[in-house]
Amino acid sequence: QVQLVQSGAEVKKPGASVKVSCKASGYTFTGTYIHWMRQAPGQGLEWMGWINPNGGGTKYAQKFQDRVTMTTDTSIATAYMELSRLRSDDTAIYYCAKYSGFDYFFDRWGQGTLVTVPS
Amino acid sequence: QSALTQPASVSGSPGQSITISCTGTSSDVGNYNLVSWYQQHPGKAPQLIIYEVTKRPSGVSNRFSGSKSGNTAALTISGLQAEDEADYYCCSYVGSEAFDYVFGAGTKVTVL
Repeated sequence: QVQLVQSGAEVKKPGASVKVSCKASGYTFTGTYIHWMRQAPGQGLEWMGWINPNGGGTKYAQKFQDRVTMTTDTSIATAYMELSRLRSDDTAIYYCAKYSGFDYFFDRWGQGTLVTVPS
Repeated sequence: QSALTQPASVSGSPGQSITISCTGTSSDVGNYNLVSWYQQHPGKAPQLIIYEVTKRPSGVSNRFSGSKSGNTAALTISGLQAEDEADYYCCSYVGSEAFDYVFGAGTKVTVL
């Protein structure tokens, strides 16, 4: 079955970078995009961007444009999201999600990765 | 990006029906029939329950239904069950230069 398994929780200092991984299985990894979202404590979901594993094309939300980098390693069916210059308000659960391939929804999500940036 | 507006909480007794609203603008909800809904139990990943405003993925109970009028979408849960207690998020495609998707802030559903 389709699964997205993310890396474990991280604690980072302000100004540092964090790289979260998302390993896919059960479908053709290069067949559809991977999106990244985040959820701050007690807040709603926020879309961060997507990457096309077939070629590496990306689109980032303007809010994160200068701090986020999304990459993939197709040899191991894994997507990565790196966020730099971390601030305390980046403390959140970060999710990867598989794009359905049509009509703009996400049909499978990873379990989430908690990133904590103490103030 | 401005989040879609959802009520913070909705509650109902077992067997009742409840409706969660999701209000956006003419640039998102009102411009596309591309609203999806996700259910999230505590400590779990979100799960798709409605896409394209009204469609249910296979395996999702037909007690969940979606609708839209103008800039407001809605999720109705009929025959409320204890297992429906969760957070629910709406999402709309936007497709702007600044961002592609906007989510609601979430609605906590409590089964009394």
